[in-house]
Amino acid sequence: QKEVEQDPGPLSVPEGAIVSLNCTYSNSAFQYFMWYRQYSRKGPELLMYTYSSGNKEDGRFTAQVDKSSKYISLFIRDSQPSDSATYLCAMYRSGYSTLTFGKGTMLLVSP
Amino acid sequence: DSGVTQTPKHLITATGQRVTLRCSPRSGDLSVYWYQQSLDQGLQFLIQYYNGEERAKGNILERFSAQQFPDLHSELNLSSLELGDSALYFCASSVGTGGDQPQHFGDGTRLSIL
Repeated sequence: QKEVEQDPGPLSVPEGAIVSLNCTYSNSAFQYFMWYRQYSRKGPELLMYTYSSGNKEDGRFTAQVDKSSKYISLFIRDSQPSDSATYLCAMYRSGYSTLTFGKGTMLLVSP
Repeated sequence: DSGVTQTPKHLITATGQRVTLRCSPRSGDLSVYWYQQSLDQGLQFLIQYYNGEERAKGNILERFSAQQFPDLHSELNLSSLELGDSALYFCASSVGTGGDQPQHFGDGTRLSIL
């Protein structure tokens, strides 16, 4: 079993839809959770960063962490074609300084 | 723009050769991380340096090595290249080393082995 699981997609939605992207993880030692967005031929760009269980909102983006279920989500409201990218979840394990990434979900938002 | 600079953007070389990838971290960041990204494996952590010292090692092959210089830039050296080394190589940087220090990525070097 991989430490971090993420559906590769692609996930296709119409413009204006609410998008839900998810990751599950197996190691309860993970404490810090991040979402990165990666456009084609570009490096991952940090979108959201959370530590505790609960929700964190930033504009159209909401990150949700449920440590009891080992499940994290990223919601995108009013999705735009410019949101079309691959979204990677990442997390830190306590005592380590390195990130463990999911393989990414490709999102396609059509006009 | 993340502030992390990687050169070159593209490299094309042959099997058996050696290449050097370069990374300049964001101003003020002391940690540099190297990652390899391939379609089947996703982003894989290779190695981390903090203020010139090796801090953590991931799935880095013995043919690969890295260093961080006094001006904090870092180089990743790949030798005896094989077809399977074709991938995107990313550098990331952060202020420190803990989990409360988000990493910021450069735009990568695309390595193609012919």
